Amino acid sequence: DIQMTQSPSSLAASVGDRVTISCQASRDIRNHLNWYQQKPGKAPKLLIYDASNLERGVPSRFSGSGSGTDFTFTISSLQPEDFATYFCQQYDDLLSFGGGTKVEIK
Amino acid sequence: QVQLLQSGAEVKKPGSSIKVSCKTSGGTFNSDAISWVRQAPGQGLQWMGGIIPRFHTTNYAQSFRGRVTVTADEPTNTAYMELSGLKSEDTAVYYCASVRRNTYGPAYFDLWGQGTLVTVSS
Repeated sequence: DIQMTQSPSSLAASVGDRVTISCQASRDIRNHLNWYQQKPGKAPKLLIYDASNLERGVPSRFSGSGSGTDFTFTISSLQPEDFATYFCQQYDDLLSFGGGTKVEIK
Repeated sequence: QVQLLQSGAEVKKPGSSIKVSCKTSGGTFNSDAISWVRQAPGQGLQWMGGIIPRFHTTNYAQSFRGRVTVTADEPTNTAYMELSGLKSEDTAVYYCASVRRNTYGPAYFDLWGQGTLVTVSS
């Protein structure tokens, strides 16, 4: 199975900050990488698909980039509703998730 | 509106099995896949396995092979996940999710059930 390593596991930021999360795959997964947001007690929500495409209805402050083994997820200006946990997920070989990054209020 | 409705919370003894159901309401199975994902308390998401109901093809994560079975009943639009040999470490919320396919295969988790809490305790 492909292992997905996310970093950092948690971060503290303020409203308006730029936030960047990394995800590394154990082997080349091309652009077969998605990003999700999960709030406490809720199911995850798809934000970015195929590494860099914004899901319909998702604000443009969210973006993704990367290909191969290294990927980045960015929130350009953190909003109060963005405090949550974010996961990457690959679909190049079966399916698997990264360990998650919890974005907390500084 | 299509929803995935899961069976209710359960408490199980170590060594026993659990079978969780996931019914598609307001729609029918299509060519999308149904996957099962679990989340232990305070932990991340772990994909367990899935099925494409139309073709009854299944795939499982290596860490669950031999212990998990995913099935689907098309007439009732219901998918099932059975996990055997339960241990305390299997205490988690278990989600079913519809996985939208692209030209490559199952790719995007786009609709989730409400989750089923399974507690394994003696």
